[in-house]
Amino acid sequence: KQEVTQIPAALSVPEGENLVLNCSFTDSAIYNLQWFRQDPGKGLTSLLLIQSSQREQTSGRLNASLDKSSGRSTLYIAASQPGDSATYLCAVRRGNNAGNMLTFGGGTRLMVKP
Amino acid sequence: NAGVTQTPKFQVLKTGQSMTLQCAQDMNHNSMYWYRQDPGMGLRLIYYSASEGTTDKGEVPNGYNVSRLNKREFSLRLESAAPSQTSVYFCASSLAGGGRYEQYFGPGTRLTVT
Repeated sequence: KQEVTQIPAALSVPEGENLVLNCSFTDSAIYNLQWFRQDPGKGLTSLLLIQSSQREQTSGRLNASLDKSSGRSTLYIAASQPGDSATYLCAVRRGNNAGNMLTFGGGTRLMVKP
Repeated sequence: NAGVTQTPKFQVLKTGQSMTLQCAQDMNHNSMYWYRQDPGMGLRLIYYSASEGTTDKGEVPNGYNVSRLNKREFSLRLESAAPSQTSVYFCASSLAGGGRYEQYFGPGTRLTVT
């Protein structure tokens, strides 16, 4: 059974720092990996989707990398801002069918202090 | 364009009561999903609908039923609520059930069963 782990569970940094969030998964046979952001009391917002054939994806100040063979992904946030404070979740998908469900990690709660 | 909407936002039920959680999307997506989010357990898939007219069980379907009313709407019903069903419920949709499509989430329904 696929297990997804995110470390650390919580992170507090001063504004302006570059930071890395980690995601690891036990079964490397994944179809893709998705990073989400969740604000308190809100739903999930998709940030980046990386297919298994890709090594990284970028969107603005965010860069996500994927090393499928080692079962790891990182989300790099450049020049962090207080507005980046949220919980970040990664999720992996085994296959291309609707029945291949997303398996989520427990999330990293990020606090960026002004 | 409202995206994915869910009603109600909050609900308190007594054990044994029934209720239906409503979800609608206006993105013309074919696939829809119901998740629950619990502390320490992450998000887990309850049921999904790959396309209008089809529904399938996810990881934790016991105690729930679903209806794909039309392409826009996907409801989740608790026939006899139990305290173990206290959770935050999220509805999501994607263009298709294929893994390369991102899932878009609603704001959630916070359910407490006493």
